Amino acid sequence: DADVTQTPRNRITKTGKRIMLECSQTKGHDRMYWYRQDPGLGLRLIYYSFDVKDINKGEISDGYSVSRQAQAKFSLSLESAIPNQTALYFCATSEGVGWHDGYTFGSGTRLTVV
Amino acid sequence: AQSVTQLGSHVSVSEGALVLLRCNYSSSVPPYLFWYVQYPNQGLQLLLKYTTGATLVKGINGFEAEFKKSETSFHLTKPSAHMSDAAEYFCAVREAGSNYKLTFGKGTLLTVNP
Repeated sequence: DADVTQTPRNRITKTGKRIMLECSQTKGHDRMYWYRQDPGLGLRLIYYSFDVKDINKGEISDGYSVSRQAQAKFSLSLESAIPNQTALYFCATSEGVGWHDGYTFGSGTRLTVV
Repeated sequence: AQSVTQLGSHVSVSEGALVLLRCNYSSSVPPYLFWYVQYPNQGLQLLLKYTTGATLVKGINGFEAEFKKSETSFHLTKPSAHMSDAAEYFCAVREAGSNYKLTFGKGTLLTVNP
């Protein structure tokens, strides 16, 4: 099994629908992150969580919400999906303060909003 | 805030030719620097990293990068390109301070021609 698992891998949804993307990890890492990737824009941080009780907005959090259900689980929700949220979404994890090993990424969720 | 600039959104080389992907960063403190690779339809995989110590770091698949503080650069090189190197490459810098989040460049798509 992968260290960081994202579900679903692909999803097509309609404008206005609520959708949840899920991420689970077996790394035992404290920190988890949600990024979106758009062509030419690289990876942009949506939300991040340093532990179950510590959740923070990233640079593009509008229209998104998250839930850290346990150390191993971090979900991203789109409350009312819109077409410009069509993107590739990645979950990542890292160790705590002072980490230096980089992030471990999931395989991504390709979301299309029609 | 720290930032990363990758010069060239698309680099094309012939098989067997030198690969050079450029990355410059801005940071007010000694940075931790990373290169990630993303193969088609996959997540990001750590290629190599610089934290402290030797400024020339070697990674997987024959890639290496050199940290040059005076030039604020961390360029990625490989002496001889292989078809399997075709992918998107991301440079990232770790923020200092309590957050320790990664800031990514916009990516460089490497094409390898036969």
